[in-house]
Amino acid sequence: ILNVEQSPQSLHVQEGDSTNFTCSFPSSNFYALHWYRWETAKSPEALFVMTLNGDEKKKGRISATLNTKEGYSYLYIKGSQPEDSATYLCAFGWTGANNLFFGTGTRLTVIP
Amino acid sequence: NAGVTQTPKFQVLKTGQSMTLQCAQDMNHEYMSWYRQDPGMGLRLIHYSVGAGITDQGEVPNGYNVSRSTTEDFPLRLLSAAPSQTSVYFCASASLGDKRNSPLHFGNGTRLTVT
Repeated sequence: ILNVEQSPQSLHVQEGDSTNFTCSFPSSNFYALHWYRWETAKSPEALFVMTLNGDEKKKGRISATLNTKEGYSYLYIKGSQPEDSATYLCAFGWTGANNLFFGTGTRLTVIP
Repeated sequence: NAGVTQTPKFQVLKTGQSMTLQCAQDMNHEYMSWYRQDPGMGLRLIHYSVGAGITDQGEVPNGYNVSRSTTEDFPLRLLSAAPSQTSVYFCASASLGDKRNSPLHFGNGTRLTVT
């Protein structure tokens, strides 16, 4: 079982603020890094899948970067809106196993 | 487009009872999996399948059985429910055989309580 850590566990930001959170994972045997957005009472939805060191992905106001050599990924939200309130999960895939290892998530609350 | 459909949404069982959680997907995904979500823990993989007739264990397989007779369906069976199996269960599917590179599509979850 691999350790995938997300920080912070939760945060509250004001509408319009930009924010970012971190996913840390083992730096060896990297295969892929996933980000999911999970709204209350719904199911997780995929945001990004990244596979190469230095990958940067963007979807609207949300973007992500990947550093496989040091074992971290950042998720950025620019100009947070109340509808961005959700738990953001990252999941790590490595070459030694045929499954993903999920972090416990960062719970974001955007205050209007 | 239904995506991944899980039933039931809620279930209460007594210790020792058995039941099957249903999962169906209409996206022709080869990969299907079952996760459980417990407070303070990340989603943990129970069992997965990379195609009809092929299943394998994940991190926490004990107490659960699966089968994959068709591409569309991947039921999860609890043979003798225990309170430790109280959890929220998610079914997820992905295209291609290597879901590490393909995003997972999740069902809406089943909240199971074992008393």
